[in-house]
Amino acid sequence: QVQLQESGPGLVKPSQTLSLTCSVSGGFISSADHYWSWIRQPPGKGLEWIGYIYYRETSNYNPSLKSRLTISSDLSKNQFSLKLTSVTAADTAVYYCARQSNYVDTWGQGTLVIVSS
Amino acid sequence: DIQMTQSPSSVSASVGDRVTITCRASQDISSWLAWYQQKPGKAPNLLIYAASNLQSGVPSRFSGSGAGTDFTLTINGLQPEDFATYYCQQANSFPLTFGPGTKVDIK
Repeated sequence: QVQLQESGPGLVKPSQTLSLTCSVSGGFISSADHYWSWIRQPPGKGLEWIGYIYYRETSNYNPSLKSRLTISSDLSKNQFSLKLTSVTAADTAVYYCARQSNYVDTWGQGTLVIVSS
Repeated sequence: DIQMTQSPSSVSASVGDRVTITCRASQDISSWLAWYQQKPGKAPNLLIYAASNLQSGVPSRFSGSGAGTDFTLTINGLQPEDFATYYCQQANSFPLTFGPGTKVDIK
């Protein structure tokens, strides 16, 4: 059974870069069967799809974040990562890494990232 | 982007009740729709995919229907563990988008 676990700083200063890593076990991110995604949820609010990386290097980003976003993978570690630059308080959220096809069938537990000075 | 709306935003119900939640897409998404359940402090859990297909391990009291722009999630015989927030999500096109959620709480 595939499991995902997010890691990274829980506090980021405004204008800096938010960096998170997702470690995957029980499956391989090099597989062409799934996309490996990031989704976020501001406290008390709904879900926002951030983007995915697929089959080594193909990526697809939410246009609302595209100019600040990079999703990459490290196949040797079976991990994928998110970098979001120039963060503001509006980027405060629980960030989930996830496995998806058209639908998100496996989620990490989520990690809260607060943007504050 | 395809906009998703849900109604009601919240519903109070009792154990054993039938609960119906509606989701509407801003354009035709065929049957490219999923439903998720989220409990406080937890990640969402996939319940229904392709509008009406029950995800493995999900109780049969959950069912989905609809196509095009209008969809429904029905819970037949609400159980204590079903009190949660439910989200719809369209998978017709990227970016994937979610509805704002419907909170089901105890009457």
